[in-house]
Amino acid sequence: EVQLVESGGGLVQPGGSLRLSCVVSGFTFNTYSMNWVRQAPGKGLEWVSYISSGSGTIYYADSVKGRFTVSRDNAKNSMYLQMNSLRDEDAAVYFCARDRGSTTFFDFWGQGALVIVSS
Amino acid sequence: QSVLTQPPSVSGAPGQRVTISCTGSSSNIGAGYDVHWYQQLPGTAPKLLIYANNNRPSGVPDRFSGSKSGTSASLAITGLQAEDEADYYCQSYDSSLRVRVFGGGTELTVL
Repeated sequence: EVQLVESGGGLVQPGGSLRLSCVVSGFTFNTYSMNWVRQAPGKGLEWVSYISSGSGTIYYADSVKGRFTVSRDNAKNSMYLQMNSLRDEDAAVYFCARDRGSTTFFDFWGQGALVIVSS
Repeated sequence: QSVLTQPPSVSGAPGQRVTISCTGSSSNIGAGYDVHWYQQLPGTAPKLLIYANNNRPSGVPDRFSGSKSGTSASLAITGLQAEDEADYYCQSYDSSLRVRVFGGGTELTVL
């Protein structure tokens, strides 16, 4: 069974930092690209970042470029999102999602990690 | 303002058929990029419902179907059931923005 489990969410002050983790099981992690997708409270879905299977290709949404860094450790079946200089508008549930092609769809999602940005 | 436009809400009685539209432009759906649909039940993560316009992943009932034409796509749900009450999102790729884009989501209410 494919499983993706996020952790690391929490309350952080504006300007602060947080690191999210996504641990996967049930599939060969090092053969799949992965993504982070977020959902602000009561709002729709927004793609955040993409990382290829070997970390050679990385993309970011303009809204987070220069502040967020995605990485992965294939030996640990894990992906990470380092979030710096957090803003009020970064508050959201962050989902990790498995990729089925860089222009296509996300076939499995984690349950999400809640990030609250507030002073 | 989402790149893909969906109606904020639709509703239908049990057993009825409803459709949810997803309107894009020449840089996404109209450029030939596939449309995918996700179902998000209250308080849960999105789940892939339809991929590549009209394909259902294993386990998705055939009551759900998708179509695409020109710069738009649609999700149809027949034999509406109470358990279908959820938010539905369309998604595609935009060649101008060079990112994957979502619709704003449609809340389905089963009356």
